[in-house]
Amino acid sequence: QKEVEQDPGPLSVPEGAIVSLNCTYSNSAFQYFMWYRQYSRKGPELLMYTYSSGNKEDGRFTAQVDKSSKYISLFIRDSQPSDSATYLCATRRSNDYKLSFGAGTTVTVRA
Amino acid sequence: NAGVTQTPKFQVLKTGQSMTLQCAQDMNHNSMYWYRQDPGMGLRLIYYSASEGTTDKGEVPNGYNVSRLNKREFSLRLESAAPSQTSVYFCAGRTSGRVDTQYFGPGTRLTVL
Repeated sequence: QKEVEQDPGPLSVPEGAIVSLNCTYSNSAFQYFMWYRQYSRKGPELLMYTYSSGNKEDGRFTAQVDKSSKYISLFIRDSQPSDSATYLCATRRSNDYKLSFGAGTTVTVRA
Repeated sequence: NAGVTQTPKFQVLKTGQSMTLQCAQDMNHNSMYWYRQDPGMGLRLIYYSASEGTTDKGEVPNGYNVSRLNKREFSLRLESAAPSQTSVYFCAGRTSGRVDTQYFGPGTRLTVL
C-alpha cells in the first residue's frame, strides 16, 4: 500500500466551478503537507505548504489538513482554464526531508 | 537565477546502452534528489544527496547510480538501460527555511527501446 493515496481522476469542470482534490495518507508521523501543481511537460511547482492540521488560504486556493482522519484537501475557487494541470499532494515527517507523493490528479477547466 | 536545470530534455536509448542525466542548480541547495514519474505512480524517489559528498538510496534505486560532483551538480547514471526505465526523470533541490521543500527541474523524457 502506498503511503499517500490520491485519485488520479481525470477531473473536468466548467470555468468558475469549485475544484475539490483529496489525498489520504497512512503514516501518522507525517507533519508537513504540500500541494504541487504540474503543467503538461513541465516540472512540479510548489503551490501550497502547511504544517499539521488546519486550513491555509492563498488567493483562490485553500489547503486543509485533518490529521485525525489523515485527510488532505485542496480547493480551487472560481476555477480558470489556466488552472488546468496535474495536482500532486506530498507529505513528509518532521525529521526527514524526503517527500512522499500521491499519484496526482489531472484537472481540466473548460472555458 | 536559472534554478534547477536538467540535460538532456529528451533521449532515446536502446536496451543495454548507458547514459548520464545531468542536473545543476544555482539556488545554493544543500540537498538534491532524483525522481522518476510514471503514469498513475506519482513521483518516486530514486536517489538523494543530503549534502555534498553523500548519497543515499530512495524507493526505486535498482539500475541507477548517482554522483554528487559538487554542491551544484548531481548526476544520474543508467549503466545498462532497460525498457522498464522508460520514464520522465526529475531532479530537485531542497531549500531550508520557513518553507522547507523541494524545487524541481523541467525533467528529462527518456525512452528505452
